[in-house]
Amino acid sequence: AQSVAQPEDQVNVAEGNPLTVKCTYSVSGNPYLFWYVQYPNRGLQFLLKYITGDNLVKGSYGFEAEFNKSQTSFHLKKPSALVSDSALYFCAVRDDADKLIFGTGTRLQVFP
Amino acid sequence: GAVVSQHPSWVICKSGTSVKIECRSLDFQATTMFWYRQFPKQSLMLMATSNEGSKATYEQGVEKDKFLINHASLTLSTLTVTSAHPEDSSFYICSASKVYNEQFFGPGTRLTVL
Repeated sequence: AQSVAQPEDQVNVAEGNPLTVKCTYSVSGNPYLFWYVQYPNRGLQFLLKYITGDNLVKGSYGFEAEFNKSQTSFHLKKPSALVSDSALYFCAVRDDADKLIFGTGTRLQVFP
Repeated sequence: GAVVSQHPSWVICKSGTSVKIECRSLDFQATTMFWYRQFPKQSLMLMATSNEGSKATYEQGVEKDKFLINHASLTLSTLTVTSAHPEDSSFYICSASKVYNEQFFGPGTRLTVL
């Protein structure tokens, strides 16, 4: 069965520094991977996805993610964090039934 | 494009009453809609998948008689929490999907049952 793991409950980073939010996956077949962001009391906003093609995927708000097949990882990155990036981030994988399986989420806190 | 709305955004009700939550795709036709439940500081748990004109498919452990889902058109799905109790208090999020495409999420509905 498809699954994703987000090993960090929280990531703290200073504004202006690069950030990484980790995600590893377990799938049978080709992975369809997604990153979403959730602000307090709001729904999820799509950031980016990997279906096929280049391993480096660029998304919204300056975020990018690198698909690494050998390490079964899909880490979310941003070169320079903003305080406004502070939110809850979810990694997800799409299964054969078109359902999204979400990770447990990582809270990103960017300090000024 | 691909905007999904939910109504209401928050609702407070008394124990034993029923609450209906609407999910609408505003600028596209959604062949499939999904309903999720999110507890505080937890991930989203899929409750059910609904396709227009057919019965919803519920995930294991979700009571279909308690969480009634209707997908009457390609732009509207409703979730009715029947005989709500305090343990049903949660954040309910819907999403809508075009064929073979990513899901677009609504802003969520916070339900508080007193």
